[in-house]
Formats: sequence, structure tokens, C-alpha cells
Amino acid sequence: EPEVTQTPSHQVTQMGQEVILRCVPISNHLYFYWYRQILGQKVEFLVSFYNNEISEKSEIFDDQFSVERPDGSNFTLKIRSTKLEDSAMYFCASSVDGLYGYTFGSGTRLTVV
Amino acid sequence: AQRVTQPEKLLSVFKGAPVELKCNYSYSGSPELFWYVQYSRQRLQLLLRHISRESIKGFTADLNKGETSFHLKKPFAQEEDSAMYYCALRGGWETSGSRLTFGEGTQLTVNP
Repeated sequence: EPEVTQTPSHQVTQMGQEVILRCVPISNHLYFYWYRQILGQKVEFLVSFYNNEISEKSEIFDDQFSVERPDGSNFTLKIRSTKLEDSAMYFCASSVDGLYGYTFGSGTRLTVV
Repeated sequence: AQRVTQPEKLLSVFKGAPVELKCNYSYSGSPELFWYVQYSRQRLQLLLRHISRESIKGFTADLNKGETSFHLKKPFAQEEDSAMYYCALRGGWETSGSRLTFGEGTQLTVNP
């Protein structure tokens, strides 16, 4: 069964540093997403991406965040200057048409120290 | 605004007992509801979507628009059902695109 792959599985970074979280969506999917889950809290939507542009973003997705699909296979989330409160599990997901349920990756645990 | 509430953070039952995981939602239009499951240290997996009206691994869920609920049920719980269960809502495309709004999750433990 096709999978969404995320790397790394765990990243530790110092406050103020830039991080890039990487995702390889399922190859025939057209919609891509980032969600995050702060420890003990619910899964929260960050951003959706379609046709090489952001289609929707939440209030969490401020100027510190950006997404990119640099090469037609990878889908990245960049946090420019990490804060302690960015520590969370970040999930990538993809969907063939944005209507059916997504396929999620296994997540990247980001720890900002 | 759309909201999903799962009132129970923890639910513990014995093997063979019926289980019901509650989900209530708030949305002014016609939502699409999902159940996702996350087994220990694994990824979120789609379990059910309401418009499919299917039964997966013995689980069913019926959308009750009058009560704005989408409770997940299984008549006889198994130990392998132990997992975190998330209810999620997708609103109308025009208002909320394809984003999912998740509930807080319910950790189900099925004891032997």
C-alpha cells in the first residue's frame, strides 16, 4: 500500500534556528497538507497545497512558516526561526482529490530547545 | 466555525464488551465526518467516513444530524482495538476547503 514518507522522524533544534521538514506524498495525489500536534493537544491544520500554491492556511501558519514542492516529489515545511512553542509532532498528508480521507505520514517530532 | 468534541479522553473496556466512542460536532452546513485511528507509535489511519456507510474492523458510525453526533461503535471490543481514536470533520468546500478539524482524541484501552 502506498505511503506518505516523512523525514526525519525526530529533529532537535535550537531556538531561533531554521528547520525544514520533508515529506514525500503518494505519487498520484494532488493535494498536500501539513498538520501539527502539540503534546497533549489536538491535531491542528496548518496548510493545504494544490497546483503548486497554498490553497488554504490556518491562523497558526504565520510568516515564520512556508511550504514548497521543489522537485515534483518532495513537499517541505520550513520554519524560519523556531520558537519553543513550535515543539510538536508535524504530520504531512496527501489526498488524491481533497475529498476522500487523507493518507498521513508517520510524523516528525520537532523539539526546540 | 467548525468544532469537533470528543468528551472522553480515556475509555477502558473489557474484551468482548461493546464500545462506543463519542463524537459531537458543530457546523452550520452539511459536514463530512471521519474517524481516524492511531495505533501505538504509528501513523494516523482513516478508519471510517460517514458517507461510505461501511463497517471497518467491526466498527460502525452513523451521522446523526439532529444530535450533531458521529459516535463510533463496536459490539465486541478486541484487545487489538486499543488505540487513539480521532473524530474529524470536513466542512463545505467553499467555506473551509479540504481541511480537517480534529477532536481531541479518545484513548481506547481494551483489557483482557
